[in-house]
Amino acid sequence: EAQVTQNPRYLITVTGKKLTVTCSQNMNHEYMSWYRQDPGLGLRQIYYSMNVEVTDKGDVPEGYKVSRKEKRNFPLILESPSPNQTSLYFCASGRGTTSYEQYFGPGTRLTVT
Amino acid sequence: GIQVEQSPPDLILQEGANSTLRCNFSDSVNNLQWFHQNPWGQLINLFYIPSGTKQNGRLSATTVATERYSLLYISSSQTTDSGVYFCAVEPSGSARQLTFGSGTQLTVLP
Repeated sequence: EAQVTQNPRYLITVTGKKLTVTCSQNMNHEYMSWYRQDPGLGLRQIYYSMNVEVTDKGDVPEGYKVSRKEKRNFPLILESPSPNQTSLYFCASGRGTTSYEQYFGPGTRLTVT
Repeated sequence: GIQVEQSPPDLILQEGANSTLRCNFSDSVNNLQWFHQNPWGQLINLFYIPSGTKQNGRLSATTVATERYSLLYISSSQTTDSGVYFCAVEPSGSARQLTFGSGTQLTVLP
C-alpha cells in the first residue's frame, strides 16, 4: 500500500530533550516536506526537500533540523524542544515533476512541557 | 504570497443534506487539493484537482483555474463526513509549498 508513515504518532516530552520524528514514504517520491498545524495559524511549512541531500527552509524553520540521506526518509529533528513547539506535525511527499499531488502522513502530536 | 479563502467557515447540516464548499485563490496554481481532516487529526486526500471536474462516490469537485476557484460538493451527507475540509494550493513557480486555506468546519447531525 502506498503510504507516508510517521513515528511516533504521539509524544510528550520535556523542554530541552532532543527528539526525532521519523517520516518514511514507499512511493519513490523525490519531494518531501514537514508542516506544523496550530489552532488559528493553520498549516505552515517547516522544511522541504526536493531530492536526496537537498533541503531548504519553509516558513517556520527555527528550532528544527532535517536531513535527507535516503530518498524514502525525511526525519525532523528538534535539538532542544521548547513548549512553543507543541503542535501537530505532518510529513508529506510528492513526485518531482510528473504530478504535483502531495500525500500526507497520519500526523504526530507533540507536547513539550 | 498567494491568498486562499474558504467559505463558509462553519456549516451545520442534517444527515442526508447536500452542501457546497468553496475555495478562492488569488494566483495561478500548479496544484489544488482538497483534504478532509477527521476528528483524530488525520488529513485525508480527497481530490487532486488543479482543473476540471472529478467525482468519487458522494463527493465531487470542480476547479475553474481561469477564474481561480474550486468547489467541493458533498451529497447525501453522513455523520462520518464531519470534520474540517481544507483546500490547499501550490502556486505556479513555487518550490512545491502548499498554502492551505483556513478550512470549513462541517458538522453533520444525525
